[in-house]
Amino acid sequence: DAGVIQSPRHEVTEMGQEVTLRCKPISGHNSLFWYRQTMMRGLELLIYFNNNVPIDDSGMPEDRFSAKMPNASFSTLKIQPSEPRDSAVYFCASGPMGGPYEQYFGPGTRLTVT
Amino acid sequence: TQLLEQSPQFLSIQEGENLTVYCNSSSVFSSLQWYRQEPGEGPVLLVTVVTGGEVKKLKRLTFQFGDARKDSSLHITAAQPGDTGLYLCAGPSGTYKYIFGTGTRLKVLA
Repeated sequence: DAGVIQSPRHEVTEMGQEVTLRCKPISGHNSLFWYRQTMMRGLELLIYFNNNVPIDDSGMPEDRFSAKMPNASFSTLKIQPSEPRDSAVYFCASGPMGGPYEQYFGPGTRLTVT
Repeated sequence: TQLLEQSPQFLSIQEGENLTVYCNSSSVFSSLQWYRQEPGEGPVLLVTVVTGGEVKKLKRLTFQFGDARKDSSLHITAAQPGDTGLYLCAGPSGTYKYIFGTGTRLKVLA
């Protein structure tokens, strides 16, 4: 069974550009999480979806960040406009129940904003 | 605010040595998880401990949850280069959120 799939794996963009990160969760999982990882702040939860509905977006840093989950097999995280401080590794994780008891992480997208 | 502090931050050892890394908090957690993250990959769940004083073993890895459920340790016996990675502890914060510790970056030299 395929794990969580994220694309692209690497993204380099210029400040001010729009960035869209994509995630395909494991089939049958109904929880989806977006995280950001940096050396300074570690792994931080950005947003959590349950059954495609955003439950908690309190971790989204600013209005420049938005996330959608149009169906059970696809989610996007968009940054518009991007800034150098957004440079980080962004992870998507999915889980089989309505909670994070088991989280399966994707390989991450390394974003560099110049 | 719940925080999970891990120590040491960095650890470099020779193959065959034993090591222990720690995860500490001033808050009580109902459970704690340990993850290993290899370079260029996402974290992978190793174990969940749920009972104070619980000890779980996974081959050469031994996990312990403190009696007061405020701390946990991970002991690796006879470390191997394949154990190299970032070790993260995580605890529940509310119904569905987990907070992650600061991490211990382990390097095992052949």
